[in-house]
Amino acid sequence: GAGVSQSPSNKVTEKGKDVELRCDPISGHTALYWYRQRLGQGLEFLIYFQGNSAPDKSGLPSDRFSAERTGESVSTLTIQRTQQEDSAVYLCASSSRTSGGASTDTQYFGPGTRLTVL
Amino acid sequence: GNSVTQMEGPVTLSEEAFLTINCTYTATGYPSLFWYVQYPGEGLQLLLKATKADDKGSNKGFEATYRKETTSFHLEKGSVQVSDSAVYFCALRSRSNYQLIWGAGTKLIIKP
Repeated sequence: GAGVSQSPSNKVTEKGKDVELRCDPISGHTALYWYRQRLGQGLEFLIYFQGNSAPDKSGLPSDRFSAERTGESVSTLTIQRTQQEDSAVYLCASSSRTSGGASTDTQYFGPGTRLTVL
Repeated sequence: GNSVTQMEGPVTLSEEAFLTINCTYTATGYPSLFWYVQYPGEGLQLLLKATKADDKGSNKGFEATYRKETTSFHLEKGSVQVSDSAVYFCALRSRSNYQLIWGAGTKLIIKP
């Protein structure tokens, strides 16, 4: 079946502009995650959606970052007034469920959006 | 807090060499441990995982054993191929939290 897709694959923008990044999770996956990967570094958690529950926004680095999800489908990550330090690859992942018990669910990743802020 | 430390790269090996990429972690309780791989131009893929102490995850000739006594989850392969060239990430997830905590990644270069 189709995997996680993200668009655009590359985005170059000028400092101060707003950008929107899109993620289409695997159909039926209730959990969706956004991560940021700076060059040469590991992934940094940004935000998590689980079904109709309130999202966990604890990883968002500033109020310029926001994300929405329509039901259990598409998610959009918006960065307002972009800064050069926002340049990174933004990765989206989805999983079929999460549970408070044994954490056995695998996150499936999209190819990422490479954002370059000039 | 929880953290993952993995060996810095790049690691450069010749084809058919033995591979070890070290990963150690700090976590409370009994986390699940993962190795993800990112091939050039592709997205992150789960390579293998282990959910409890002494479990061995394996896939595509790679293995890693969950060692609680040494808080380690080292990735090994007996004979690497050029196609194994990629960036490898070690990660953990605690049982009380869905967030994955990531190592910085290790770039592996295999020369023919």
